[in-house]
Amino acid sequence: AQTVTQSQPEMSVQEAETVTLSCTYDTSESNYYLFWYKQPPSRQMILVIRQEAYKQQNATENRFSVNFQKAAKSFSLKISDSQLGDTAMYFCAFMASSGTYKYIFGTGTRLKVLA
Amino acid sequence: ETGVTQTPRHLVMGMTNKKSLKCEQHLGHNAMYWYKQSAKKPLELMFVYNFKEQTENNSVPSRFSPECPNSSHLFLHLHTLQPEDSALYLCASSQLGTSGGDDTDTQYFGPGTRLTVL
Repeated sequence: AQTVTQSQPEMSVQEAETVTLSCTYDTSESNYYLFWYKQPPSRQMILVIRQEAYKQQNATENRFSVNFQKAAKSFSLKISDSQLGDTAMYFCAFMASSGTYKYIFGTGTRLKVLA
Repeated sequence: ETGVTQTPRHLVMGMTNKKSLKCEQHLGHNAMYWYKQSAKKPLELMFVYNFKEQTENNSVPSRFSPECPNSSHLFLHLHTLQPEDSALYLCASSQLGTSGGDDTDTQYFGPGTRLTVL
């Protein structure tokens, strides 16, 4: 069975600084997707970034980038130039490419950006 | 309306009530999902509908009954709930397929219904 672990329940960062959120996963699948989602307080969960496991290149989306280490089964999210609006819960998720289309979510990291 | 919408946004119900949650997706997707989000627990997948057919029922108690009349609408019918069922219920949709587009299999979430069972 697949598992996703986010080992940092809470983090804080100063505005304009860089922060990295960690995510590790366990799977025997060779093809899969990995995602980071952001859920601001009392607001909708939105997709931050998506990575396909067969792609070597790390995904980037503006100030958000990932460090995908397939052999180590690690998928960390780097937020550069942190902004107050980045304050949110961040969830890492895994989905195998074959089969049931089920997402496996981590327990989340609560990130607070400090002014 | 755009994206995924859910109504109502907040619901308080007694244990003997019957109520329904509604989800609508405006993205032309072919799969829809119900999740339960409780404090300090990972999101729990409850049901998956793929082309209107239920393909996943994650050992959900029968007091939760899903309905998917078409690919754009998803309901969650609730009856005789327990206080531990209080949670945020999230709906999501995605486009399943082999097209390999950048969006394939990516789930988009609604704002959720905050349910309180008294």
